[in-house]
Amino acid sequence: DGGITQSPKYLFRKEGQNVTLSCEQNLNHDAMYWYRQDPGQGLRLIYYSQIVNDFQKGDIAEGYSVSREKKESFPLTVTSAQKNPTAFYLCASSISDWTETESGANVLTFGAGSRLTVL
Amino acid sequence: AQKVTQAQTEISVVEKEDVTLDCVYETRDTTYYLFWYKQPPSGELVFLIRRNSFDEQNEISGRYSWNFQKSTSSFNFTITASQVVDSAVYFCALSEARGNKLVFGAGTILRVKS
Repeated sequence: DGGITQSPKYLFRKEGQNVTLSCEQNLNHDAMYWYRQDPGQGLRLIYYSQIVNDFQKGDIAEGYSVSREKKESFPLTVTSAQKNPTAFYLCASSISDWTETESGANVLTFGAGSRLTVL
Repeated sequence: AQKVTQAQTEISVVEKEDVTLDCVYETRDTTYYLFWYKQPPSGELVFLIRRNSFDEQNEISGRYSWNFQKSTSSFNFTITASQVVDSAVYFCALSEARGNKLVFGAGTILRVKS
C-alpha cells in the first residue's frame, strides 16, 4: 500500500545534540512537507519541497534543516540551535503544488508522526 | 495573512448526540480552499473534506456534514449520532488557490463517551 513512513516514532535527545527524523513516501508525490505540532497550537509549517534538490522555509524554519536528494525522501534535522525542540513532527506529501490550476490546492497525505523529547 | 480559528478547545458528548465543530477563517484571497482533517490517537492526520471558495453548497457524507458560509467566513463540521470512534482531534485548515501550504487551526479535541 502507498503511504508515508516516518521513523523513529519516538526519539529522545540530549540538549546540544542534532537529531534527524526520516520521512519516506512511495506515493510518487512531488511535494513534501514538515509540520510541527504543539498542544493547543495546531500544525505549523517548518519546511517544504516542491521538487528534488529544492526546498523552501516555512513559518518556523529556524533551528531546522532539510535535504531533498531523492523524490521519495525528505529528512528533517533538528539542530542544537532549535531552542524548544520537544514536539510532535508530521511529514506530509502531495502532488505538485506549483501548477497554477483550479486544482492547485491538493490534498496532503500525512505520516504517523515522530515524537521528539529533549531530556 | 491567512488565519484559522477553532474556538472550541475541547468538546465532550455522549454517544448518539449530535455535535458541531466550529471553524472561522480569515483570508484576503478571493479563491481559496478549506479542509477538515481528523487526527485519531494514532497520530496520523486523515483527510475528510476539501471545499473551494466558489462552492458554498453544504455537503453530507454519511454521519458527517459541512456548512460553508462565506458571509460569516465559517466552515463548520457536524457529526450526527456521534460514536466513540469519532473521538479524535479535528483540524480545520485553509490554503491559497495556488499551492498546498495549509494554515491550520489549533484543533478541537472531541471526546465521545459511551
